[in-house]
Amino acid sequence: SQQGEEDPQALSIQEGENATMNCSYKTSINNLQWYRQNSGRGLVHLILIRSNEREKHSGRLRVTLDTSKKSSSLLITASRAADTASYFCATASNSGNTPLVFGKGTRLSVIA
Amino acid sequence: NAGVTQTPKFRVLKTGQSMTLLCAQDMNHEYMYWYRQDPGMGLRLIHYSVGEGTTAKGEVPDGYNVSRLKKQNFLLGLESAAPSQTSVYFCASSYSVQHTEAFFGQGTRLTVV
Repeated sequence: SQQGEEDPQALSIQEGENATMNCSYKTSINNLQWYRQNSGRGLVHLILIRSNEREKHSGRLRVTLDTSKKSSSLLITASRAADTASYFCATASNSGNTPLVFGKGTRLSVIA
Repeated sequence: NAGVTQTPKFRVLKTGQSMTLLCAQDMNHEYMYWYRQDPGMGLRLIHYSVGEGTTAKGEVPDGYNVSRLKKQNFLLGLESAAPSQTSVYFCASSYSVQHTEAFFGQGTRLTVV
């Protein structure tokens, strides 16, 4: 079963606005990662946050992690039409060689 | 560097036919994965490998087999294709499971009629 669940499933905003996507997960993690997928393409890694980190920034991206609530959020500031894509969270377990487990994704549409 | 390369990119199969999807990576990664992506379902792990000569089952392994004879290649086989296997298949690789990002191929769109 999937570990991460993104919320909302779909989000539509105007260019220049901020977009916030949330991810909840169920078990202990080593890290949580966010990926982006343009329509019909492979996933591209955006950012990784470790379980002992609370916030991380990369350009216009800000990720927070709350391990007590088992949740993470991805904020994209000053969104652009080119940010239109699906965004997935993925969790890496603490145990053994368990591979990344992906959520179902949030479909972001940025309207110019 | 090519990264992760999947072949073919598109394929149409008839029910009962077999085929092999090839994934090749040139980053010397130990770990390789096969996922399938269906509308509204996100990515689901089919099989994975933690090193040359090893394979393990993921969340949805039934109807698929895999082999990792060489470190750089990870093959996904469908012995007798079914319409339920119509999907987009993604291969990925990573240096480690827990600590680093995964790199994805561009996907194989498979239709079983």
